[in-house]
Amino acid sequence: GAGVSQSPSNKVTEKGKDVELRCDPISGHTALYWYRQSLGQGLEFLIYFQGNSAPDKSGLPSDRFSAERTGGSVSTLTIQRTQQEDSAVYLCASSLGAGGRVETQYFGPGTRLLVL
Amino acid sequence: AQKVTQAQTEISVVEKEDVTLDCVYETRDTTYYLFWYKQPPSGELVFLIRRNSFDEQNEISGRYSWNFQKSTSSFNFTITASQVVDSAVYFCALTTSNFGNEKLTFGTGTRLTIIP
Repeated sequence: GAGVSQSPSNKVTEKGKDVELRCDPISGHTALYWYRQSLGQGLEFLIYFQGNSAPDKSGLPSDRFSAERTGGSVSTLTIQRTQQEDSAVYLCASSLGAGGRVETQYFGPGTRLLVL
Repeated sequence: AQKVTQAQTEISVVEKEDVTLDCVYETRDTTYYLFWYKQPPSGELVFLIRRNSFDEQNEISGRYSWNFQKSTSSFNFTITASQVVDSAVYFCALTTSNFGNEKLTFGTGTRLTIIP
């Protein structure tokens, strides 16, 4: 079946502009995660969605970052007023989120963001 | 707090040699899950294996094997008879079971280069 998909693959933007990154999880997966991979910080958790519950935003680095998930499926990560330090690869992962057991997270190909 | 340490930043071996990637973890939780992911040049994180804290059995899958030792808090990964296609960055990751946000804590990764 289809894996996690993300778009765009690459995004180049100017400092101060807003960007939107999209994630389409594996069909039937109720849990969705965003991570960021940067040279200085490695792989770090950003935000977690489970079904229609309120998201866990504890990993978002600043209030310029926000995310939503519509209909329990597609998610959009928005970065407002981008800064050069936002340059990174943004990875999305999904899992069954069945509850009662830890599920494996499957990752998308990522969006490579470059802020000039 | 949780931590995963991959002390080997880069490893290079000649094709057909065996190679072991080290992973040491820290957690105060008695229930936890460990993972290995492979990140080839394409950038996508590919799931390889998962282990829970109650199962210390080692596992072999083809040329891959994993050695989980709670006594030393290690979860090492061995590739036997390495091939050029094994060249990638390998990440070890940890999550604790809280039946909610199962965010992964990643190590910094080991870049493995197989020399033909």
